[in-house]
Amino acid sequence: ETGVTQTPRHLVMGMTNKKSLKCEQHLGHNAMYWYKQSAKKPLELMFVYSLEERVENNSVPSRFSPECPNSSHLFLHLHTLQPEDSALYLCASSQGTSSGNTIYFGEGSWLTVV
Amino acid sequence: KQEVTQIPAALSVPEGENLVLNCSFTDSAIYNLQWFRQDPGKGLTSLLLIQSSQREQTSGRLNASLDKSSGRSTLYIAASQPGDSATYLCAPGGTGFQKLVFGTGTRLLVSP
Repeated sequence: ETGVTQTPRHLVMGMTNKKSLKCEQHLGHNAMYWYKQSAKKPLELMFVYSLEERVENNSVPSRFSPECPNSSHLFLHLHTLQPEDSALYLCASSQGTSSGNTIYFGEGSWLTVV
Repeated sequence: KQEVTQIPAALSVPEGENLVLNCSFTDSAIYNLQWFRQDPGKGLTSLLLIQSSQREQTSGRLNASLDKSSGRSTLYIAASQPGDSATYLCAPGGTGFQKLVFGTGTRLLVSP
């Protein structure tokens, strides 16, 4: 079983749809992250959850809404997205948020907005 | 704001060559630096983590060095193999919530 599991792996949605991405980590970590990877751009940190506290990148539009019901699960709720939101969305986890902790990534969810 | 540059953007080498990937960053106030590997359409795998107090780390055929004061890190791959073909990303880590800032990566192709 992989450490960080993301579902679905591929998602196509219209601009008026509402969908969610799910992430589950089996590593006993207490911090989870959402990253966005667009073509030819660096990975962009969207949200961090640590010990149920949320830290977000202020440039992330409100049409992305994270939810972290417990330390093992993380969701990204999507609504009224734009075509430029098409990207690979990566979930990650780590034990603690201090320096020196290796971060583990899932395989990502490919999102296409049509 | 931390900015990370990776050179070259793409590299194609024959199998068996030793190669060096470069990473430079603008803010030297980092706590650590990680190198990751990303296979096409997949997530990232951490290869090496160097603490700011360290000069280098080794794992198998990989060796990463860090010169924090000059804002540079290099990833050395010895005796490259076709299985090494992937995109390699570096990410200096700042304070707080693992605020890694990623470069756009070096896409490596090792041909048999």
